[in-house]
Amino acid sequence: KNQVEQSPQSLIILEGKNCTLQCNYTVSPFSNLRWYKQDTGRGPVSLTIMTFSENTKSNGRYTATLDADTKQSSLHITASQLSDSASYICVVSAGANNLFFGTGTRLTVIP
Amino acid sequence: DVKVTQSSRYLVKRTGEKVFLECVQDMDHENMFWYRQDPGLGLRLIYFSYDVKMKEKGDIPEGYSVSREKKERFSLILESASTNQTSMYLCASSSLSGRAYGTQYFGPGTRLLVL
Repeated sequence: KNQVEQSPQSLIILEGKNCTLQCNYTVSPFSNLRWYKQDTGRGPVSLTIMTFSENTKSNGRYTATLDADTKQSSLHITASQLSDSASYICVVSAGANNLFFGTGTRLTVIP
Repeated sequence: DVKVTQSSRYLVKRTGEKVFLECVQDMDHENMFWYRQDPGLGLRLIYFSYDVKMKEKGDIPEGYSVSREKKERFSLILESASTNQTSMYLCASSSLSGRAYGTQYFGPGTRLLVL
């Protein structure tokens, strides 16, 4: 069964600290994996996209990793800011037409 | 920048009403999508369109229909709204062929409450 599971469901961290969000998938055939950030009351915005051959991709303070062998991805946020408070959604593509969404990790950054 | 707009941020409707949610994108994207998002369930695809007048059912099409008369506009229709359709509705568009390949650009969402 094609599934995308994210952990933790929610996370609270202090401003300035780092954190790592996890995404495990059982999607096949794998095409690509995206991380989206969704601010409260807004639509998701793409942060990174990774294909099978890519291990790491960065977007400012966001760094995504992909291990295609173990079917795991992580999103690492460095030196967190209050504006990082949002839901982070992992989306895995299978073939040309199938997208599988994780349920997201809700991150809260507190001062 | 790609811009996807949705006609309403918040809507309150009564059970049995016909509801129209409109979505417009300004980047000439071929693909457009309607999702609903519920706590703990994530985003679920309702309908997808890859061209004018073309549509495909997603994972949860029951109780919904769609219309795409122009490339830039994709409408979601609730023929007879029910309380279990209370949700956040998100429209998205993407440019590459094969709906899973292109990055999706999302609108701000419409939060619908059906009483």
